[in-house]
Amino acid sequence: KNEVEQSPQNLTAQEGEFITINCSYSVGISALHWLQQHPGGGIVSLFMLSSGKKKHGRLIATINIQEKHSSLHITASHPRDSAVYICAVPLMNYGGSQGNLIFGKGTKLSVKP
Amino acid sequence: DAGITQSPRHKVTETGTPVTLRCHQTENHRYMYWYRQDPGHGLRLIHYSYGVKDTDKGEVSDGYSVSRSKTEDFLLTLESATSSQTSVYFCAILGDTSYEQYFGPGTRLTVT
Repeated sequence: KNEVEQSPQNLTAQEGEFITINCSYSVGISALHWLQQHPGGGIVSLFMLSSGKKKHGRLIATINIQEKHSSLHITASHPRDSAVYICAVPLMNYGGSQGNLIFGKGTKLSVKP
Repeated sequence: DAGITQSPRHKVTETGTPVTLRCHQTENHRYMYWYRQDPGHGLRLIHYSYGVKDTDKGEVSDGYSVSRSKTEDFLLTLESATSSQTSVYFCAILGDTSYEQYFGPGTRLTVT
């Protein structure tokens, strides 16, 4: 049973389109992490948010703690946004570690020119 | 850039041989993690460390051991590599903001 579900698994868009990636979770959390991984590349932290909304350039992340749902939006998408986007939530009581995360399986985004 | 390096970056080894992967950080972070990433599974925690000589198991720890004798180094050892351990391995550290992890560049391991 995966406690962090992402949708869609795969997404193809045309350059310029508005993109939404969703993340739902079944465990109680105090924060949610969005990450980006380019093909063959490393994993980069995009956002850590615990309420409301955060914006960085063309990327916007929102979270609704009550509904246990977060969305990552990309405005005016560009081919360089093509990547896998991963959400992760803290596993609060796992082994006593405050930092352990449960990861979604990722959403593979491809933006065509 | 959280100052995390991994070595080697690529390795091909034979079944049954021991393999050690190294994660090195330069910013004195207390928590360090080893993950493996496989198609269809996403990132899965192998082991983590919450200080020098303090480690614990993750979700997929069978066949792996770790050691942390210095704050800056976290070693992952496959005592006897198997083909099922072919994967990409990522190291991560927990940053100053709770729950935000920063990842190393990854090590691609192939066990033949």
